[in-house]
Amino acid sequence: LAKTTQPISMDSYEGQEVNITCSHNNIATNDYITWYQQFPSQGPRFIIQGYKTKVTNEVASLFIPADRKSSTLSLPRVSLSDTAVYYCLVVRRGSTLGRLYFGRGTQLTVWP
Amino acid sequence: NAGVTQTPKFQVLKTGQSMTLQCAQDMNHEYMSWYRQDPGMGLRLIHYSVGAGITDQGEVPNGYNVSRSTTEDFPLRLLSAAPSQTSVYFCASSYAGTGVNQPQHFGDGTRLSIL
Repeated sequence: LAKTTQPISMDSYEGQEVNITCSHNNIATNDYITWYQQFPSQGPRFIIQGYKTKVTNEVASLFIPADRKSSTLSLPRVSLSDTAVYYCLVVRRGSTLGRLYFGRGTQLTVWP
Repeated sequence: NAGVTQTPKFQVLKTGQSMTLQCAQDMNHEYMSWYRQDPGMGLRLIHYSVGAGITDQGEVPNGYNVSRSTTEDFPLRLLSAAPSQTSVYFCASSYAGTGVNQPQHFGDGTRLSIL
């Protein structure tokens, strides 16, 4: 599976838009990009998944360019409660289910 | 709807002791798995199961055993605890689905310390 690279940490202020970029240069045709969020003392929580172009749900948007070698998770107007670790994962369609490979993620800290 | 329930939430063991971490899900998910998370690290897959009676090893299986006798339960056993197994353990479940992988649902973890 393609290795992912994302910033170790990011800081933002309440009300700002936050964009976290993930690099996955060796992504394959059958791979999807998936993001999870983890709060302290909790398990990860699925946020969004996409294959190409743009995906939006009630929590976030995911932008994937045509070459799919990177992706950007966009959180609109963050609040203090968005402080968490965000993981970018590449998941292969049709692979052994649930074999998720987590990197160190991006620690997002939102300040008042 | 309880989701994925892990017990206990905290546990302290002495080296050499054995223990079973419990995981139960009420969503009728076929797939269940165990991960460990060490400080400042991502999660690493220990063992997983694609259905009752079927288990397989993940990335770091040594020192751990699993079994899946029912759809709902997937216990993780430490046969002889070692300090290197001090970690936070997460259980996850999902539908098997077809095509695109289904989102994983995680429990809130068991914090295990081995002295």
